[in-house]
Amino acid sequence: AQSVTQLGSHVSVSEGALVLLRCNYSSSVPPYLFWYVQYPNQGLQLLLKYTSAATLVKGINGFEAEFKKSETSFHLTKPSAHMSDAAEYFCAVTPSGGYQKVTFGTGTKLQVIP
Amino acid sequence: GAVVSQHPSRVICKSGTSVKIECRSLDFQATTMFWYRQFPKQSLMLMATSNEGSKATYEQGVEKDKFLINHASLTLSTLTVTSAHPEDSSFYICSAPEFSSGRPDTQYFGPGTRLTVL
Repeated sequence: AQSVTQLGSHVSVSEGALVLLRCNYSSSVPPYLFWYVQYPNQGLQLLLKYTSAATLVKGINGFEAEFKKSETSFHLTKPSAHMSDAAEYFCAVTPSGGYQKVTFGTGTKLQVIP
Repeated sequence: GAVVSQHPSRVICKSGTSVKIECRSLDFQATTMFWYRQFPKQSLMLMATSNEGSKATYEQGVEKDKFLINHASLTLSTLTVTSAHPEDSSFYICSAPEFSSGRPDTQYFGPGTRLTVL
């Protein structure tokens, strides 16, 4: 069984401030972890992924996330928020390998204040 | 990354009609595709796993006779919502896993189809 918990359904940051979106996972087997971004009325775009290589993962648009097994966390960060970062962000988990279905968190809506 | 397309992007239909949504992997072969639905301001919920050349696997609570899935080729899966009703109005998204070094690695998602049933 696998699940992800995203703390905070809404997060507001000022433009230029640090972005921190939290994700904790639960998985009975080694996981693959993902962060996706969704803009209104659009599909999901992959930001970054952890697939058992480096624990610090760098993604697109300046985002990065660190896999911490001891804390079962995979928090998403960005040093300086831009207005264009305003969107819904989903953390997701799948067991590593095989034809695995993805389990999504409930999402965090990021608001960037000018 | 890999590209997955969906058609149509938006459809409005009358109650009782059937609607077909296509999901295509454009630059890779996908023996497996996944169908999700997303209600407003909610997360994605997996509906079914589409398998090329065999029957789809439905999640608990999803009516297989209402949501018909056909995975006719390695690049195309279709979802048909039969006898649609207003409660079927939702955002439907498909995905397909891409292989890396011989293993499924990442799910790539289509842009979604907004279904509105009047």
